[in-house]
Amino acid sequence: DAGVTQSPTHLIKTRGQQVTLRCSPKSGHDTVSWYQQALGQGPQFIFQYYEEEERQRGNFPDRFSGHQYPNYSSELNVNALLLGDSALYLCASSLVQGAQETQYFGPGTRLLVL
Amino acid sequence: AQSVTQLDSQVPVFEEAPVELRCNYSSSVSVYLFWYVQYPNQGLQLLLKYLSGSTLVKGINGFEAEFNKSQTSFHLRKPSVHISDTAEYFCAVSETGGGNKLTFGTGTQLKVEL
Repeated sequence: DAGVTQSPTHLIKTRGQQVTLRCSPKSGHDTVSWYQQALGQGPQFIFQYYEEEERQRGNFPDRFSGHQYPNYSSELNVNALLLGDSALYLCASSLVQGAQETQYFGPGTRLLVL
Repeated sequence: AQSVTQLDSQVPVFEEAPVELRCNYSSSVSVYLFWYVQYPNQGLQLLLKYLSGSTLVKGINGFEAEFNKSQTSFHLRKPSVHISDTAEYFCAVSETGGGNKLTFGTGTQLKVEL
């Protein structure tokens, strides 16, 4: 049973560039959430996708956008990168099954903005 | 809105000693509670969760946690730690009733020494 996978594992960009991160959910899961984890901090919720729609959004600017495909995989796009966007980006998948949704995390993509 | 407080940023402990990692939360609605572990340069792994029922929850690797509603706490315990338990531990909450955005604490670094 494949878990949550993310690509790439590491990425280096310069300020002002754009980046796309990818996530494949755990088999059978239909919901994908994205989190940003700055160094030494806990993860912060960016947004969540279900049925190809953004279902919830955290306190992140519009530079952060996403997409979910019919096969439930998802992308996180960040435009006009800032130095402060350097972080570990975590994808989590879950299954909407009643109200008991548990999120399972991928290994993350480490983004460095120079 | 919810918030999570992990009172200890670092907890050093000798191998085979017991450990307790503290977590307090604040929420105006009912919550689910989770503990995740993060090993260096990896994603988050679910240790245990409280959804409903018995307030004492057992998880993987010999960890357990107790939900105390009156004290709004969900402390993590292990009776005898191993060197391999050295990692960052995160407490998280989400609202019941769907929309499972996780709010994390800032983490506790558990360092097990010989």
